[in-house]
Amino acid sequence: QQPVQSPQAVILREGEDAVINCSSSKALYSVHWYRQKHGEAPVFLMILLKGGEQKGHEKISASFNEKKQQSSLYLTASQLSYSGTYFCGTAVNAGGTSYGKLTFGQGTILTVHP
Amino acid sequence: NAGVMQNPRHLVRRRGQEARLRCSPMKGHSHVYWYRQLPEEGLKFMVYLQKENIIDESGMPKERFSAEFPKEGPSILRIQQVVRGDSAAYFCASSGLADSSYEQYFGPGTRLTVT
Repeated sequence: QQPVQSPQAVILREGEDAVINCSSSKALYSVHWYRQKHGEAPVFLMILLKGGEQKGHEKISASFNEKKQQSSLYLTASQLSYSGTYFCGTAVNAGGTSYGKLTFGQGTILTVHP
Repeated sequence: NAGVMQNPRHLVRRRGQEARLRCSPMKGHSHVYWYRQLPEEGLKFMVYLQKENIIDESGMPKERFSAEFPKEGPSILRIQQVVRGDSAAYFCASSGLADSSYEQYFGPGTRLTVT
């Protein structure tokens, strides 16, 4: 079952902030965030691991609530280049490990205007 | 530092023909994942391969689709007797380790159009 992302779409002006949420019904091992521009490949942004470790982009922050199986991506002081579709990919916890299969949410379309 | 490479970038096939999509993982990566993205939709897992082994093909349609990752050469996703519903973008991603605490890097994708 795929994770659910909210909101489905966000429109911002440059400099504004946004939060994108990702919620799963399964116990997660990790959450991966990607940004995809139209016609291009998804670009890796961030990994959040159970236990609190994060790896990824310097200007983007995220959180992972293990109890609720929810992750949030925080985009601050947005730039025009932030426009695109954001996907979360979740890896299910299989007895304390997980081999890398990701299940993606339906995406959140972010549009940043000047 | 070459990234994940896929070819062709665009592929047009008539119904009933075969499509072969190639993926060369990032240097040093031996784990390959294939995902399919239908227009205006998210990415759907198809198959996970290591060199010479299919580890998980739970997302692959039972018929017409196959994948391999030989000891030498790229990973190949093969679609036989294509139908219009196979039109999609097919992405592969690679990772250095078989653990989802590691990043997966995506290739540019192959956009398959079935006419």
